[in-house]
Amino acid sequence: NAGVMQNPRHLVRRRGQEARLRCSPMKGHSHVYWYRQLPEEGLKFMVYLQKENIIDESGMPKERFSAEFPKEGPSILRIQQVVRGDSAAYFCASSPGQAGSPLHFGNGTRLTVT
Amino acid sequence: GESVGLHLPTLSVQEGDNSIINCAYSNSASDYFIWYKQESGKGPQFIIDIRSNMDKRQGQRVTVLLNKTVKHLSLQIAATQPGDSAVYFCAERRDDKIIFGKGTRLHILP
Repeated sequence: NAGVMQNPRHLVRRRGQEARLRCSPMKGHSHVYWYRQLPEEGLKFMVYLQKENIIDESGMPKERFSAEFPKEGPSILRIQQVVRGDSAAYFCASSPGQAGSPLHFGNGTRLTVT
Repeated sequence: GESVGLHLPTLSVQEGDNSIINCAYSNSASDYFIWYKQESGKGPQFIIDIRSNMDKRQGQRVTVLLNKTVKHLSLQIAATQPGDSAVYFCAERRDDKIIFGKGTRLHILP
């Protein structure tokens, strides 16, 4: 999974601050997915994006969370006014978009809200 | 809610023995299934996948079995090694999303 690059690896924010998580997909991949993982739990789907389009955001909280995947540059997951409950590992995955293609994951960003 | 992941939270296996990790899914319309391995501090790593028109697929030391009748998926790891220690997730494709179960921790006994 070294091909999907996420940064930062660790992010500490105080309550009320903004968190920006970045994801560069594997070369040639135009589909990006964001997942959230709490300790000892599975990955929860948040959002699925293609270049400049949000395809499915059914897993995104209605407030404070947004995601984008611009024509140029990485995908960004933005969390405004963070609260302690936002502390988690956030994983990005990419795929070429073909049916039956597995997702390839980055090593995540671990967000800690103090 | 999530429908994938009837599982044992922890599976302990003697080194050298075969491991079998099970998973159930509830959506009969799911057409693609994947097994991932996640080591501590890392992202999930693709192991093997299977389409719903197949019932078995083999990789290097791993085999995935799909039983659509009872909506059951299993991962078999042959000759389990210390490096196989990890959490294993089954996942299914549903509406263009990959949905994960809660996972099974595989613990290797010396």
